[in-house]
Amino acid sequence: EDQVTQSPEALRLQEGESSSLNCSYTVSGLRGLFWYRQDPGKGPEFLFTLYSAGEEKEKERLKATLTKKESFLHITAPKPEDSATYLCAGQGGSEKLVFGKGTKLTVNP
Amino acid sequence: GAVVSQHPSRVICKSGTSVKIECRSLDFQATTMFWYRQFPKQSLMLMATSNEGSKATYEQGVEKDKFLINHASLTLSTLTVTSAHPEDSSFYICSARNIAPSDYTFGSGTRLTVV
Repeated sequence: EDQVTQSPEALRLQEGESSSLNCSYTVSGLRGLFWYRQDPGKGPEFLFTLYSAGEEKEKERLKATLTKKESFLHITAPKPEDSATYLCAGQGGSEKLVFGKGTKLTVNP
Repeated sequence: GAVVSQHPSRVICKSGTSVKIECRSLDFQATTMFWYRQFPKQSLMLMATSNEGSKATYEQGVEKDKFLINHASLTLSTLTVTSAHPEDSSFYICSARNIAPSDYTFGSGTRLTVV
């Protein structure tokens, strides 16, 4: 059974304090690894799709990387507005996305 | 970028009534649409997958007679919660998959409260 596990469940950072979120996956025939940001009471907002090990993508203070077993979302010098829940999802042989439980990030000013 | 519009954003209904939630892809044709349910502090649970013009495929444990899904066109899917009960109260989110590129865009969600 395909599975995606995210850690930590919650992370508190001071503004400017860089860190990384982890997404471990066992998804058969991975076609894509997706990162989303979700604010309270909202739907997930697309951040990145990674397709193969070694791939990296960046957007402002965020950088996503992918290996054969896990993906990392690196946050450099975060700001309070980066506070949100970050979701990781894998797509295997079907069209379905398998989601992790998310990491709730809080950035204090 | 791709936009998925979901309405209503919030709905309160009485127990025993039905509620319809709409999901529209505004600027692209969606080959497939997905419906999720999310409980507080939990991740997204896939309820069903629907393709335009065909019957939805429901995940194990999801009652197809309670959660009716219609996907009449490449831009519109609806979820009807029939005979709603308080335990159906939840956050419902739709997602649409682009034909190209192959991305998944989510709606803004619907908070359903059954009283």
